[in-house]
Amino acid sequence: EVQLLESGGALVQPGGSLRLSCAASGFTFSSSSVSWVRQAPGKGLEWVSAIHSDGPTFYAASVKGRFTISRDNSKDTLFLQMTSLRAEDTAIYYCATTFVGRHDYWGQGTLVTVSS
Amino acid sequence: EIVMTQSPATLSLSPGERATLSCRASQSVGSNLAWYQQKSGQAPRLLIYSASTRATGVAARFSGSGSGTEFTLTISSLQSEDFAVYYCQQYNNWPQTETFGQGTKVEVK
Repeated sequence: EVQLLESGGALVQPGGSLRLSCAASGFTFSSSSVSWVRQAPGKGLEWVSAIHSDGPTFYAASVKGRFTISRDNSKDTLFLQMTSLRAEDTAIYYCATTFVGRHDYWGQGTLVTVSS
Repeated sequence: EIVMTQSPATLSLSPGERATLSCRASQSVGSNLAWYQQKSGQAPRLLIYSASTRATGVAARFSGSGSGTEFTLTISSLQSEDFAVYYCQQYNNWPQTETFGQGTKVEVK
């Protein structure tokens, strides 16, 4: 069974940093592309970032230069390093498997709140 | 950026009725379109990909159609568990980018 478990969400002040993690199991993580998708409170879904199995990374314009996606294939874990956080980054952050663009499996999400 | 527009924003129907949800792309995305279902407090669930292919385990009452800029998700006979928010997603420019529609809420009339 595919499982994705996000962690690291917290309350952080504007301008602060946070690192999210997503522990994967039930599939060959090292061979899979994975993504972060976020959802602001009461709003729709917004793609944030993706990383391919062989390393290339991609970002939404809204986070480029502030967020960094990475992976540790030895630990089947995906990361999202977030810096210069803004109020508009407040959201539930989901990690999801990605196959040619579609997201077959999703974690339950972790809440990031940016507020003073 | 390709903008995805879903209509209507809210659909009020009774169990057993047919639901028709629309998704329009600002430019052609071919068949690179997916539909997701999200229930309150839960993560999204993939229903349809490649515009018309049901994901594993998805009930046959869900069907997708369309190509280019116009897409439709049809639920042939609404069950109680189908009342939720539905999002379309285009991934024509993947991996550089992808975009979601704003969602359609299917609620009990």
